[in-house]
Order: sequence, then structure tokens, then C-alpha cells
Amino acid sequence: NAGVTQTPKFQVLKTGQSMTLQCAQDMNHEYMSWYRQDPGMGLRLIHYSVGAGITDQGEVPNGYNVSRSTTEDFPLRLLSAAPSQTSVYFCASSVQGGAEAFFGQGTRLTVV
Amino acid sequence: GIQVEQSPPDLILQEGANSTLRCNFSDSVNNLQWFHQNPWGQLINLFYIPSGTKQNGRLSATTVATERYSLLYISSSQTTDSGVYFCAVVDYTGANSKLTFGKGITLSVRP
Repeated sequence: NAGVTQTPKFQVLKTGQSMTLQCAQDMNHEYMSWYRQDPGMGLRLIHYSVGAGITDQGEVPNGYNVSRSTTEDFPLRLLSAAPSQTSVYFCASSVQGGAEAFFGQGTRLTVV
Repeated sequence: GIQVEQSPPDLILQEGANSTLRCNFSDSVNNLQWFHQNPWGQLINLFYIPSGTKQNGRLSATTVATERYSLLYISSSQTTDSGVYFCAVVDYTGANSKLTFGKGITLSVRP
């Protein structure tokens, strides 16, 4: 019973490098989303998807790209990492938008 | 957008004590969840409770949607209850079904 799986758990990047945070769910959920958690600012929505082939921006999308080619996977790409992207990233999924959301274990990213 | 306020911001309990955590929100909601973020950073689902009352072991939650608040009750607290408790809501005024989180309540349970 895997639920929502994120990889890697920890990552250190140099400024300007690119990378992809992986997110997979095995619950056949249509809605998936990415949040970042920063001290004092709570969790904020980066991008979301209501189904395969459909993605849209959340409140803090700059510097990130997403795609959704399958129901199961929703990767988050950092195009050119910046120190301001140092954060903990969470992927979540739910049957549909507004339904109970389930979160992955998070990825702690440090950009130096 | 919708505002979510949690109180108190910090709580220290002796093991075995009971506590009540509060979540106020500024507008009508269609989803309300309580999460526990453990010391390892993992977000654990406690309750999905847009209205009514639910219980799960020592924890229970009540949401009064018409008065825009929710309460999380922890009875006979244990050290493993320590961590941060988040309330999060979804309002359908926006198209993205975004979960809006409160700032969290940091709970420390001492042995």
C-alpha cells in the first residue's frame, strides 16, 4: 500500500542546475498537486493537475515546470535552481479536487 | 482568498493530559482536513471533516461549518503526539481546489 511516493528524499543542488522531483501515486487519483513548505509561510501550491494531460499553475509557479503524461506520475522540474527554491516539497493526490488529499513524505531541497 | 487561523500557536502538555486545538476559517468551505506533521516532516492525515464529528481512537474532531470553525481533541496525550498540527481547507471560489493551510500548532508532550 504505497500511496504517494516521492523521490529523492533529500537533494543538494548548485545554483543554475536543473533537476526533476518525482511523484507517483497508486490510488488511481485524478487530482495531483505540488506544494512547497517554507518556515513561517506554511504550504503553498506550485502546480496542479486535474487529470492526465492537464496541468495548471498554482500561486507560486515561477521557476517550475510540470507535465502529466500518465494518471500515476506528476514530476516537478526545476529549470535553473536558485537559493530561493530551498524548501521542502510535497506532492499530494486526491480522487478529485476538493476531496481528501494524501501527501508524499516530502523532498528536502537545498540550493547552494 | 480564504484565511485560516489556528490557535494556540504553541502548546506544551504533560503526558496523559487532554487538549483542544482550534481552526477558524473566513469563508464557506467544501473540504477541511487535519494533519499531523511528525518530527520527521511527514504529513499524516488525521481527519477529513468538512462538517460533523468524527473519532479515531484518542483523537476526535468536530467541524461547525455554519460558524466557520473546527476543533481537534486529543485525549490522554502521548509523547508520540508531539509535532505540528495543521488545519487545511478548500474553498470552491477558485478553480484550482487549492488547500489553504493554517500556520500550524506546535504540540510538545513531555513524559
